[in-house]
Amino acid sequence: EVQLVQSGAEVKKPGESLKISCKGSGYSFTSYWIGWVRQMPGKGLEWMGIIYPGDSDTRYSPSFQGQVTISADKSISTAYLQWSSLKASDTAMYYCVRHTSDAFDIWGQGTMVTVSS
Amino acid sequence: QSALTQPRSVSGSPGQSVTISCTGTSSDVGGYNYVSWYQQHPGKAPKLMIYDVSKRPSGVPDRFSGSKSGNTASLTISGLQAEDEADYYCCSYAGSYTLWVFGGGTKLTVL
Repeated sequence: EVQLVQSGAEVKKPGESLKISCKGSGYSFTSYWIGWVRQMPGKGLEWMGIIYPGDSDTRYSPSFQGQVTISADKSISTAYLQWSSLKASDTAMYYCVRHTSDAFDIWGQGTMVTVSS
Repeated sequence: QSALTQPRSVSGSPGQSVTISCTGTSSDVGGYNYVSWYQQHPGKAPKLMIYDVSKRPSGVPDRFSGSKSGNTASLTISGLQAEDEADYYCCSYAGSYTLWVFGGGTKLTVL
């Protein structure tokens, strides 16, 4: 079965760092782009960026460039989304997605990140 | 404000048809045939329903169909069922700088 399994919910304080993960299985992890999508509480979906695990080519939405870092470790079929200094406004559900050339066909279960003092 | 404009809500009775619009520009919806639609039930991850404007992934009922005219894409759900009640999001490729943009989402209520 093709699936993306994300790490568990996180509760952090403003200013702390965080790295969440997304492990792919059931397909060739290095052959598909992996992306990240944010959903703030009660709000819509926002595309953040993508990485190609085969060569680590990474692209960001202009809205998220410089705010987060996307990386991947192809040896363990895992992609990451990280923050160096969290803000309260980073509180959201984060989904990883498998990109085909024209859509996001597989979604992870989501990782809830709560940032609160 | 989202890059693509969707109605906040639509509704229909069981068995009826509803259409959800997704309006963009010539730089996204109008410029590429890479429009996709996602269904999200409360507390769940989104699910791909339509890709490449009008193609259905395996397992998606043929009650779901997509189309595009100019800068506006549409998702039509025919023969509405209670299980179709969910939020629906459109998404489009928007070129090599912005890459991908979502609509603000539409809440479908089955009366």
